[in-house]
Amino acid sequence: QQPVQSPQAVILREGEDAVINCSSSKALYSVHWYRQKHGEAPVFLMILLKGGEQKGHEKISASFNEKKQQSSLYLTASQLSYSGTYFCGTEQSGGSNYKLTFGKGTLLTVNP
Amino acid sequence: EAGVAQSPRYKIIEKRQSVAFWCNPISGHATLYWYQQILGQGPKLLIQFQNNGVVDDSQLPKDRFSAERLKGVDSTLKIQPAKLEDSAVYLCASRFSSIQYFGAGTRLSVL
Repeated sequence: QQPVQSPQAVILREGEDAVINCSSSKALYSVHWYRQKHGEAPVFLMILLKGGEQKGHEKISASFNEKKQQSSLYLTASQLSYSGTYFCGTEQSGGSNYKLTFGKGTLLTVNP
Repeated sequence: EAGVAQSPRYKIIEKRQSVAFWCNPISGHATLYWYQQILGQGPKLLIQFQNNGVVDDSQLPKDRFSAERLKGVDSTLKIQPAKLEDSAVYLCASRFSSIQYFGAGTRLSVL
């Protein structure tokens, strides 16, 4: 079951904040966030495990609401380098063999 | 540390031709994945290997796609014969401790 990401696209000015959401209709064990720039490999950002923990990495953080099967990625004080497409990959509960199902992505554009 | 290597980076073929992609995972990573990424979409899993054994190939179109991972290291993905709808980026990833590391992919155009 493919997770649903929203919004599909967002345009920011440098220094503004953004939130990207990822929702699933299935019970999740973990949510993985990646950023992909055009023509490049997806780059791992962070992993959230069930339990509602919140993780942070400098100005990028994420949360996982196990009850809602939803994860949110928070980008604070955006920089030009944050531009790219953000994907969430979800792993369902119960022995998935680390199989990830990716959403369609959210295109983030940060302008000067 | 070297990342996941893939070749070629680009390939243009005509429909009904065959094509092969190569992947060299990060050293020591036992799990390897092949994904298909159509323009504007997220990566879609085609096949997952654990060492040289197949763990999941439920989404691999087996009438035209095949993959192997001899000796549990390098892997090849083949398409024969190719169709127009196979135009996509084919990504290889290897996994260590829950995290998948991706290569830059091979962009395939089928004309």
